Amino acid sequence: DTAVSQTPKYLVTQMGNDKSIKCEQNLGHDTMYWYKQDSKKFLKIMFSYNNKELIINETVPNRFSPKSPDKAHLNLHINSLELGDSAVYFCASSQRGSGGETQYFGPGTRLLVL
Amino acid sequence: KNEVEQSPQNLTAQEGEFITINCSYSVGISALHWLQQHPGGGIVSLFMLSSGKKKHGRLIATINIQEKHSSLHITASHPRDSAVYICAVGQGAQKLVFGQGTRLTINP
Repeated sequence: DTAVSQTPKYLVTQMGNDKSIKCEQNLGHDTMYWYKQDSKKFLKIMFSYNNKELIINETVPNRFSPKSPDKAHLNLHINSLELGDSAVYFCASSQRGSGGETQYFGPGTRLLVL
Repeated sequence: KNEVEQSPQNLTAQEGEFITINCSYSVGISALHWLQQHPGGGIVSLFMLSSGKKKHGRLIATINIQEKHSSLHITASHPRDSAVYICAVGQGAQKLVFGQGTRLTINP
């Protein structure tokens, strides 16, 4: 069984569209994250949730809205997609949520905005 | 300047060579992480350490808290070790700050 799964794996869409990426973890972890990896492979945190509560919002545009229906799921909705949103988006989870814990990453969602 | 700096950015070596990747950071941390990203894109956590040294198979990670420096070593390198290695530091609650990654290529 996959520990952290994301859907879809690939997403190609037109500028201006709205799209969602889903993430699920079956590890029983309390904390989930969204990261963005740009074309230079640089990873940066976007959001973290602990038990469905938003903890970190790292100056991400309002067009990005995370939603956590329960602690096993963290979805990312993106409105009015722009060319610069093209990137790989990784979901991750950790036990309680601290910088001193191992994080488990999903396979990534490759988003291409045309 | 990034809070986490890795060197080298790219490294090519022959199979069997001893590999060292360095990571320096400029902020207080709760722990330092080494991650591996394979060409297929998936990210795997290799080590998390806050002091001393850890070893897993042919991989060794060390950290010097006073000097704010960590190294990842690979002994007897193999082409399957080819990947991007990423250093990340844990800051307080729930935040990882990443280095820019080191692309390692091991030629047979």
